[in-house]
Amino acid sequence: GAGVSQSPSNKVTEKGKDVELRCDPISGHTALYWYRQSLGQGLEFLIYFQGNSAPDKSGLPSDRFSAERTGGSVSTLTIQRTQQEDSAVYLCASSTTSDEQYFGPGTRLTVT
Amino acid sequence: GQSLEQPSEVTAVEGAIVQINCTYQTSGFYGLSWYQQHDGGAPTFLSYNALDGLEETGRFSSFLSRSDSYGYLLLQELQMKDSASYFCAVLSGNTGKLIFGQGTTLQVKP
Repeated sequence: GAGVSQSPSNKVTEKGKDVELRCDPISGHTALYWYRQSLGQGLEFLIYFQGNSAPDKSGLPSDRFSAERTGGSVSTLTIQRTQQEDSAVYLCASSTTSDEQYFGPGTRLTVT
Repeated sequence: GQSLEQPSEVTAVEGAIVQINCTYQTSGFYGLSWYQQHDGGAPTFLSYNALDGLEETGRFSSFLSRSDSYGYLLLQELQMKDSASYFCAVLSGNTGKLIFGQGTTLQVKP
């Protein structure tokens, strides 16, 4: 079946602009996660959704970052007033159980 | 703070066995996971240990000792396609939040 999909695959934006990243989880997966991965680094947790609510937003690095999920499915991560340090690959994962997460291919964000 | 330590690089030859160690210090612990990531690809799940001991899945095995805050991933009969980055990750709560290590780059040589 279809896996987790993310769009766009690549995004180049100018410093100060807003960006929206989209994640389509596997159908039926109630849990959805956003992570960030800088070059050559591990993944950094950003936010967790269960259904449409976000009980854990502890990883969002600043108030410029926000995320929402609608219909228990699609999620968007919004970064306002982007900065160069926001450049990274943004990965989305979904799951039905907490021990195995299925990751999408990621969105590579470059802020110039 | 929360931290996971794993070697940055490991090199081995085809057909050999390699062990990638992971030590962790986290505020919550539900289990230890391992993920594989090929260059430019998405991380894929390999294994999960919630209890002490060894879990075996084909050529890959994973071990956990909660009293030592330590685990390892064992890869047997190495193949060239096993060249990738391997991440240990602690499941830090019942929400599924994963705390990742920095990753170990495995290079398999002929």
